[in-house]
Amino acid sequence: ILNVEQSPQSLHVQEGDSTNFTCSFPSSNFYALHWYRWETAKSPEALFVMTLNGDEKKKGRISATLNTKEGYSYLYIKGSQPEDSATYLCAFISLSNFGNEKLTFGTGTRLTIIP
Amino acid sequence: DVKVTQSSRYLVKRTGEKVFLECVQDMDHENMFWYRQDPGLGLRLIYFSYDVKMKEKGDIPEGYSVSREKKERFSLILESASTNQTSMYLCASSLKGQLNTEAFFGQGTRLTVV
Repeated sequence: ILNVEQSPQSLHVQEGDSTNFTCSFPSSNFYALHWYRWETAKSPEALFVMTLNGDEKKKGRISATLNTKEGYSYLYIKGSQPEDSATYLCAFISLSNFGNEKLTFGTGTRLTIIP
Repeated sequence: DVKVTQSSRYLVKRTGEKVFLECVQDMDHENMFWYRQDPGLGLRLIYFSYDVKMKEKGDIPEGYSVSREKKERFSLILESASTNQTSMYLCASSLKGQLNTEAFFGQGTRLTVV
């Protein structure tokens, strides 16, 4: 079983503050890393798809970086807003022993923004 | 609007029952996945399929089987439901060979086995 870890497991942040969290993954046989946001009572939705070492992606106040050589990705949220409250999941894309694509998720970071 | 649809939002079944969870996608995706989500454990991969009638075990396949008779439909089967299979089940799909595109998820089925 691939080891994909996220930290912290949960986070409470004051509205307006910035925050970041981590996803660590195997540094060998890297294909892609995805970030998803999962709001309560909704389906997870993709934030970023990252494929190259050194990738930096940005969507509004949210950005992500990728280091495939050391096996980690950071997600940053600038100026947190209540609508940012969600669980943030990273998914490591690899090939199975039979060469088929699989997504292995971390345990997630549950973010709560305090108004 | 792309869609992955799971047949039920909530389901209550008795121990020992055979349970079918259905997932349908309308994006012509080759890859489909079944996960379960439990507090503190994240999304764990049960089974996945990369083509019609083709499947592969995920990380926690015990107690489950799957069926993919048509490209758009991927079914998760609990042959004899047990209380430790009470969980949230999520289906996802993605394009094969396109690692730079995201997966799309259903809304989840919360299964309670009593």
